[in-house]
Amino acid sequence: DSGVTQTPKHLITATGQRVTLRCSPRSGDLSVYWYQQSLDQGLQFLIQYYNGEERAKGNILERFSAQQFPDLHSELNLSSLELGDSALYFCASSSFGTSSGYEQFFGPGTRLTVL
Amino acid sequence: KNQVEQSPQSLIILEGKNCTLQCNYTVSPFSNLRWYKQDTGRGPVSLTIMTFSENTKSNGRYTATLDADTKQSSLHITASQLSDSASYICVVPRPGNTGKLIFGQGTTLQVKP
Repeated sequence: DSGVTQTPKHLITATGQRVTLRCSPRSGDLSVYWYQQSLDQGLQFLIQYYNGEERAKGNILERFSAQQFPDLHSELNLSSLELGDSALYFCASSSFGTSSGYEQFFGPGTRLTVL
Repeated sequence: KNQVEQSPQSLIILEGKNCTLQCNYTVSPFSNLRWYKQDTGRGPVSLTIMTFSENTKSNGRYTATLDADTKQSSLHITASQLSDSASYICVVPRPGNTGKLIFGQGTTLQVKP
């Protein structure tokens, strides 16, 4: 158990809908990272927050947004969902704002299925 | 271009056998390299983190090596078990303290009885 929790575990929805994925980092970790992993694909970095502020952005679509709250939990909002958004979404956390030298701990993921 | 490439893409071995997975990177400047194990449908779990000054690091039956000169790393699995069946991912931080990681595509290992 990494100490990172994600809810829900599974999510099934229809095209055009909007969903919210939630992540609670390990106790004491200030950074939260979101990743997307499509079937048989590698992990794609979406976005990072550090202590409530956006720190780095990856290949995140404009239909997607995220935020980190004062209690350090984070939410990833996906809107106008398309079939291609079906994937595993992982959250990771680390102690500091940069990845160099500091391990990222991954949550169990949320499997999103868009029908 | 900063890249991480892994080989082979997939591998099937018999239980009890050894195997070696390869990772080549072109990331510069280099800070560290990580190997993660990802079970199907689960989050990646760190196996080792190696800095440029480390040549070898072991974690149980897993031994990682790093050659910073040739920019190559390997992960050797000894006496494989069925539970070793997973995807093994090589990861290098993107330079510049951006918080971003560069992921290899992974090697899918299947251990058969």
